[in-house]
Amino acid sequence: GQQLNQSPQSMFIQEGEDVSMNCTSSSIFNTWLWYKQDPGEGPVLLIALYKAGELTSNGRLTAQFGITRKDSFLNISASIPSDVGIYFCAGQLSNAGGTSYGKLTFGQGTILTVHP
Amino acid sequence: GAVVSQHPSWVICKSGTSVKIECRSLDFQATTMFWYRQFPKQSLMLMATSNEGSKATYEQGVEKDKFLINHASLTLSTLTVTSAHPEDSSFYICSARDAGGTKGTQYFGPGTRLTVL
Repeated sequence: GQQLNQSPQSMFIQEGEDVSMNCTSSSIFNTWLWYKQDPGEGPVLLIALYKAGELTSNGRLTAQFGITRKDSFLNISASIPSDVGIYFCAGQLSNAGGTSYGKLTFGQGTILTVHP
Repeated sequence: GAVVSQHPSWVICKSGTSVKIECRSLDFQATTMFWYRQFPKQSLMLMATSNEGSKATYEQGVEKDKFLINHASLTLSTLTVTSAHPEDSSFYICSARDAGGTKGTQYFGPGTRLTVL
């Protein structure tokens, strides 16, 4: 089956620093998604990317859908303590007409720790 | 926004008993819901896809007779862990796909922590 490799596995940074994490896949996806999960909670969608090359921002978060459709990155600028959590990438396939969607394949997660 | 709830948020049960977990889409209809399991420090693993009014589709290695899924309405899916054992202890998370949406976006519930003694 499809595999997603997410890196780094964990990051320890100081408040105010920028963060970058990425996902690569052995095969293509039509959609890339980035989620954040707080301890004991379900994942919350941060950014969704639907077209190769697409660059999308959500506040201090920026994510891009790789041209090859096999990778994506997420950047967080000027980190703050509440950015702490686990970040997951996920890939999804859909049909050409965008009317049928496949299941999500998740990366292994990046554990982010922000020191005040 | 789209909200998905799960009940209970946590449950402790004795080995051999059955536990039912509910997943509800509160402000949208979901023809498709998904059940995931997450062990500590690991990613989410899809267990099954639940389609309203039809049988669930289970992922390879997931026992359908042990993890019973019922999706009887457009807003409710249930997962029953039958004859639970300690190795079934995990964090179970559901997600729901908005039937009226155009991008196939899945919205996740807050999860249910199952501990089997």
